[in-house]
Amino acid sequence: QVQLQESGPGLVKPSQDLSLTCTVSGDSISSGGYYWTWIRQHPVKGLEWIGYVYHNANTQYNPSLKSRVTISIDTSKNQFSLNLYSVTGADTAVYFCARGSEWLHYFDYWGQGTLVTVSS
Amino acid sequence: DIQMTQSPSSLSASVGDRVTITCRASQSIGNYLNWYQQKPGKAPKVLIYAASSLQSGVPSRFSGSGSGTDFSLTISSLHLEDFATYFCQHSYSPPWTFGQGTKVEI
Repeated sequence: QVQLQESGPGLVKPSQDLSLTCTVSGDSISSGGYYWTWIRQHPVKGLEWIGYVYHNANTQYNPSLKSRVTISIDTSKNQFSLNLYSVTGADTAVYFCARGSEWLHYFDYWGQGTLVTVSS
Repeated sequence: DIQMTQSPSSLSASVGDRVTITCRASQSIGNYLNWYQQKPGKAPKVLIYAASSLQSGVPSRFSGSGSGTDFSLTISSLHLEDFATYFCQHSYSPPWTFGQGTKVEI
């Protein structure tokens, strides 16, 4: 059974950087056929795809966030990470990590989600 | 970006009802459409991918149809555990976007 678990601070100050890590168990993050993705859910704006990383470290980002985001992968730890720079209150959301199908681009396994609040 | 519009935004139904939720894309997306169910405090769970393929382990009362710009999710006979919010998501070309959700209430 594939499981994903997000970890990281729940409170970030405005203008600082948000860093989250997703630890994967039950599957090798190096295996083909899938990529590893971050999605966030705003109370009002709904679900927003942030970006993904492949096992070979290739990435794709949502253009709306591309200038402020980096997603990286650590195959030795079976983890991948999200860095979102210069956050504002608009970045307050529940952040999910998930596994995506490489060909059909649907998300079949998700972490439980972690609430990140941007506030001073 | 491709915009996904769901209707209705919410609906009231009873156990045993047949329920249909629709999703419209702002441009043709072939059959690159997925459906998710989300319960409060939980992550979304995929129900249908590629418009009509049932994800493993999902009950057969869930079905999806459509292509191009218009899609639907049908629950043939509503069970108590189906009261939740449902989202569509296109997977035609990045950035992937989601509908705003349809809340199915008792």
